[in-house]
Amino acid sequence: QVQLVESGGGVVQPGRSLRLSCAASGFSFSSYGMHWVRQAPGKGLEWVAVIYYDGSNKYYAESVKGRFTISRDNSKNTLYLQMNSLRAEDTAVYYCARDVLFAYDYWGQGTLVTVSS
Amino acid sequence: SALTQPPSASGSPGQSVTISCTGTSSDVGGYNYVSWYQQHPGKAPKLMIYEVIKRPSGVPDRFSGSKSGNTASLTVSGLQAEDEADYYCSSYAGSNNFVFGTGTKVTVL
Repeated sequence: QVQLVESGGGVVQPGRSLRLSCAASGFSFSSYGMHWVRQAPGKGLEWVAVIYYDGSNKYYAESVKGRFTISRDNSKNTLYLQMNSLRAEDTAVYYCARDVLFAYDYWGQGTLVTVSS
Repeated sequence: SALTQPPSASGSPGQSVTISCTGTSSDVGGYNYVSWYQQHPGKAPKLMIYEVIKRPSGVPDRFSGSKSGNTASLTVSGLQAEDEADYYCSSYAGSNNFVFGTGTKVTVL
């Protein structure tokens, strides 16, 4: 069965960096685009970034452009999100999700990132 | 910017509830790539509808989607206690951008 498992969250000071990982299993990872979506505490969902199945194209929300980098290693079935220059407003649960026809059909359980001094 | 949903909706068991999702001609109105998600507290979202009207395998046919102009809708018929959750719409917004709705809390009375 399809499984997505995020890791790498934690507490980090403003201005510092963090890298999230999303380990995929149960499907042909290299055939699917993948997204990162976040949800601030008590708030709604916010799309963060997408990467094509082969890593050839990457796109970002304006709120993270220039600070976050999405990448993938298809040999390891793993998706990444490198987050630099973190701000308090980046505090959220970060989900990875599989893309199917511009929808998110499978989600991980999420990993919490807290940006605080 | 985020698609507009009503903050809350409610209905009694067995009744129907419809949630709207209003965008613009650049997102909801411009593409048939509207999807809907159900999220229970503390859980990850679950895909309920994609491409405006399609249901993934395993989603009850009580859930249906539609679209007219710049507004998409999710209807839950025959409300059940387990349908109580937050619901979010999402749309492709062109140029490899994606947008979510503001979310609607559905209460089963």
